[in-house]
Amino acid sequence: NAGVTQTPKFQVLKTGQSMTLQCAQDMNHEYMSWYRQDPGMGLRLIHYSVGAGITDQGEVPNGYNVSRSTTEDFPLRLLSAAPSQTSVYFCASSYSWGDTGELFFGEGSRLTVL
Amino acid sequence: AQKITQTQPGMFVQEKEAVTLDCTYDTSDPSYGLFWYKQPSSGEMIFLIYQGSYDQQNATEGRYSLNFQKARKSANLVISASQLGDSAMYFCAMMCFMNYGGSQGNLIFGKGTKLSVKP
Repeated sequence: NAGVTQTPKFQVLKTGQSMTLQCAQDMNHEYMSWYRQDPGMGLRLIHYSVGAGITDQGEVPNGYNVSRSTTEDFPLRLLSAAPSQTSVYFCASSYSWGDTGELFFGEGSRLTVL
Repeated sequence: AQKITQTQPGMFVQEKEAVTLDCTYDTSDPSYGLFWYKQPSSGEMIFLIYQGSYDQQNATEGRYSLNFQKARKSANLVISASQLGDSAMYFCAMMCFMNYGGSQGNLIFGKGTKLSVKP
């Protein structure tokens, strides 16, 4: 099983450029989410989705857009990258919103904005 | 607002000894869950253990146990018989299940504790 797959694993952008971080899961999970991890800050929730067509903001949503057109995919878009968005991004999924079981994480995507 | 606090940025433990990683939480939600994740230097997030707020007994998973003290709002992770492979970042996280100020249904993470196991 592939689990949660994130692409790309590494990306370097210039300020103002746009890009999309891809996330796909093959476990038929309803809940998907994006976190960013910064040194000394832990993981902070950016956006999440409780099912296809439904998304909501997390703790740090500014500068990011998401959509969920299928159960499998949950892309994260940076419309105009800023140096403050340099971070490691994790996509995660679980069976349902509020699931007390394991939250399955992707391997992470390291983004550098110059 | 819900919050997780891990006060130990870094810790050292001798191989084969036990170690306790501290975690305190703050929520007014009566229904919540507490999680611990491990992040090795390779970067992946590994689920370790879960404790529900209504669980009567402390959760255990192999060498991991969660010392849950509800009145003190603490959920410390105890690792017994430390191994070199336990060297990693450890994150405590909380999920609230009712609508008490938002964030319900999502994991909120602490800032982590870096554990180093010495041979």
